[in-house]
Amino acid sequence: TQLLEQSPQFLSIQEGENLTVYCNSSSVFSSLQWYRQEPGEGPVLLVTVVTGGEVKKLKRLTFQFGDARKDSSLHITAAQPGDTGLYLCAGVLKENSGGSNYKLTFGKGTLLTVNP
Amino acid sequence: NAGVMQNPRHLVRRRGQEARLRCSPMKGHSHVYWYRQLPEEGLKFMVYLQKENIIDESGMPKERFSAEFPKEGPSILRIQQVVRGDSAAYFCASSPILGADYGYTFGSGTRLTVV
Repeated sequence: TQLLEQSPQFLSIQEGENLTVYCNSSSVFSSLQWYRQEPGEGPVLLVTVVTGGEVKKLKRLTFQFGDARKDSSLHITAAQPGDTGLYLCAGVLKENSGGSNYKLTFGKGTLLTVNP
Repeated sequence: NAGVMQNPRHLVRRRGQEARLRCSPMKGHSHVYWYRQLPEEGLKFMVYLQKENIIDESGMPKERFSAEFPKEGPSILRIQQVVRGDSAAYFCASSPILGADYGYTFGSGTRLTVV
């Protein structure tokens, strides 16, 4: 059972388009993070959200944490070829937020391709 | 300030051989975590170590896998008698304080291929 479901699994768009990818769970998370992973590299942290309903912006990227802290979305405006990569969401399960808050639960990711 | 350094980047082993994966955390980081990314799977937690201590190895297979983080030198993930199912990307992360709530810095990983 995958605790964090990411959708879509694959997304191919043209440069300049907008897109949204989703991360959903039936479990509550004390915090949630988004990473981008390029081929042959490790995940690179983009943002961490900790408060239900929180919205964070990073240039053309907008991240939202659901009110119930069970889901999140990543919106990219005017996508560029450099945005191509595997977008991973990961979180600390609320039940682990005490003694095991070092365990990250990852989704399988959304593979985004932005064509020039 | 170098990031998390992992080596080798690629490792090919025949079935039955040993694989040793190294991870040097960022300077000042005393918490090290290993994750494994199997094909078509998300990253899975394996083990959490501090200097000279294994804190939580609940995600690591009980047989053939071991990890250490000695007082001096890098953290080592050791896989004995490798099998094809061990083929995966192994990532190390480090943090200055305990906890993932503010995110991790990951290394570039070691891609292990068992032939």
